[in-house]
Amino acid sequence: QKEVEQNSGPLSVPEGAIASLNCTYSDRVSQSFFWYRQYSGKSPELIMSIYSNGDKEDGRFTAQLNKASQYVSLLIRDSQPSDSATYLCAVNKDYGQNFVFGPGTRLSVLP
Amino acid sequence: DAGVTQSPTHLIKTRGQHVTLRCSPISGHKSVSWYQQVLGQGPQFIFQYYEKEERGRGNFPDRFSARQFPNYSSELNVNALLLGDSALYLCASSTDLGQPQHFGDGTRLSIL
Repeated sequence: QKEVEQNSGPLSVPEGAIASLNCTYSDRVSQSFFWYRQYSGKSPELIMSIYSNGDKEDGRFTAQLNKASQYVSLLIRDSQPSDSATYLCAVNKDYGQNFVFGPGTRLSVLP
Repeated sequence: DAGVTQSPTHLIKTRGQHVTLRCSPISGHKSVSWYQQVLGQGPQFIFQYYEKEERGRGNFPDRFSARQFPNYSSELNVNALLLGDSALYLCASSTDLGQPQHFGDGTRLSIL
C-alpha cells in the first residue's frame, strides 16, 4: 500500500461545477495535511493546510479531514478553466519531518 | 518579499559527472527540504534540514548529499550522475518543521 494515494485522473468537470479531489493515507500518526496545485511545467503552489478533523474553507476551496478514515479531500466550488492543473496531496509524518506527496490528480475544467 | 530561489534553472550534464544545486529560502524560514520530481509523479522527498542539521532523509542513494549553511541557504550535491537522475529538483522552505512548505521554481536537470 502506498503511503499517500490519489486518483490520477484526469477528472473533468464543467465550468461552474464543484470539483472533488480525494486523498487517502496509510500512516495513522500523520499530523498535518496539505493541498498543492501544480500547473504544467511549474512548481507546486500551496493552496490549503489542515490539521484537525472537519472542514476548513478558504475562498472557493474547502479542505476536509477525517483522521479516523485516513481521508482528506479538497472541494473547489465554481470551478474555472484556470483551475485546470494537477492537485497534489501532501501528508506530514513523524511529528514535523518528511512530507510525503501523493502522485497527484489532474483536473480539467471545461469551458 | 522574495520567494524561494533556486539556481541554476536548467542544467545539462553527462553520466558520471557531479552537480551542485543551490537554494535560498524565504527570509525567516529555517527549514529547507529537497525533492525530486519526475514527469507524471509527485515530488519524492530527498532531504530536510532545520537549523543546519539534517532532520530527514528519503530513500535515495549515498550519491545524494546536502547541507545547510548558517544563512539557511542549502546545496544539494549529486555524484556519479545516472540517466535516471534526470528530473526536476525542487527546494522548499518553511518556518519550522511540519509547517507548510513553499517551493522554488526548481532546477531541471538533464543527463545525457
